[in-house]
Amino acid sequence: QKEVEQNSGPLSVPEGAIASLNCTYSDRGSQSFFWYRQYSGKSPELIMSIYSNGDKEDGRFTAQLNKASQYVSLLIRDSQPSDSATYLCAVKQGSQGNLIFGKGTKLSVKP
Amino acid sequence: GAVVSQHPSRVICKSGTSVKIECRSLDFQATTMFWYRQFPKQSLMLMATSNEGSKATYEQGVEKDKFLINHASLTLSTLTVTSAHPEDSSFYICSARVLADVEQYFGPGTRLTVT
Repeated sequence: QKEVEQNSGPLSVPEGAIASLNCTYSDRGSQSFFWYRQYSGKSPELIMSIYSNGDKEDGRFTAQLNKASQYVSLLIRDSQPSDSATYLCAVKQGSQGNLIFGKGTKLSVKP
Repeated sequence: GAVVSQHPSRVICKSGTSVKIECRSLDFQATTMFWYRQFPKQSLMLMATSNEGSKATYEQGVEKDKFLINHASLTLSTLTVTSAHPEDSSFYICSARVLADVEQYFGPGTRLTVT
């Protein structure tokens, strides 16, 4: 059973701090990794994708991938209250496969 | 970015009736569309995958005769919940992608309430 694990949280950080969200996956052959943000009552929104080891930065977001450790993370710098949402980690099975989602980490950014 | 729409956004129906949900890719042709269901405080659960012009592939435990999926064109897929019951009340979300190796984009979701 291929799995994606996330800490459900809630993770609470003060405004302006760095929020660190973590995800591990079981399928060593996975090649594509995604972070989605989901506000309450809304559908997921893609915020980052990463395919190779290392860091990928986009604005206040940095995705980090370590395939040897089967670990992917998302850092949010200068966290804002509007970042409060559930963050879903998703891993794609192979090049043709479907996304496997973690259960999500709920982030709360306190003003 | 790619835009996926869903209609309706919210529907209330009586037990025993059928409901059709439409999913459209607005600015790209979607070779594959996915249907997910999400219950409160739970993660997304994939129900089925459909490729244009082919029969949908259903995940284990999803009744194909109850959840009818049609992907008749590269921009439209429909999910019909037949003989709906209160336990079918959920948030149904479609997703689409162009090719197998690019990102998957989600529609805004349809909240179904069966009374």
